[in-house]
Amino acid sequence: QITLKESGPTLVKPTQTLTLTCSFSGFSFTTTTVGVGWVRQPPGKALEWLAVIYWNGDKRYSPSLKNRVTITKDTSRNQVVLTMTNVDSVDTATYYCAHRRHNSGFGPWGQGTLVTVSS
Amino acid sequence: DIQMTQSPSTLSASVGDRVTLSCRASQTISSWLAWYQQKPGQAPKLLIYQASTLENGVPSRFSGSQSGTEFTLTISSLQPDDLATYYCQQYIGYPYTFGQGTKLEIK
Repeated sequence: QITLKESGPTLVKPTQTLTLTCSFSGFSFTTTTVGVGWVRQPPGKALEWLAVIYWNGDKRYSPSLKNRVTITKDTSRNQVVLTMTNVDSVDTATYYCAHRRHNSGFGPWGQGTLVTVSS
Repeated sequence: DIQMTQSPSTLSASVGDRVTLSCRASQTISSWLAWYQQKPGQAPKLLIYQASTLENGVPSRFSGSQSGTEFTLTISSLQPDDLATYYCQQYIGYPYTFGQGTKLEIK
């Protein structure tokens, strides 16, 4: 059974750097074609795709956030980390990580973690 | 970026109704489309991928189809548990854009 769980701060001040960790089980980055992505959802709004990292280290980012977001993986610890610099109130959202299968969408997803950006 | 447009934004239907939700891509995406269900207060759940392949464990009343760049999610007989917002997502080109969602309400 594949499970994912996001962790990180619930409150971040404007201009600070946000670091979120996705810890997963039931699959491994030693399996080819596997990926883990990040998606966020501002309160009451739609889903926004942020980034994905694959078993071979390939990384893709949303152009709207590319200069501020970095995604990395720790294969031995079964974790993926998303770092977002210079956060602003518009970055307030629930952040989800999700498993990516080859030629499929994203699933399953973690439960999400709400991050509020406020001074 | 590829734009995904869903319609309607909100849909109200009765239990037992056949319901169709639409998603249009701004350019050809072949069949690289997924549908997700997000119930209130929960994370999204993958329902369908490659436009028409049902994810394991998803009830057979859900189905997906395609005509060119128009995609449809159909619920053959609406159930109370189907109250949710449904999103489409293309995954042919980065960024993997989502539609704005269709909120399905039960009359």
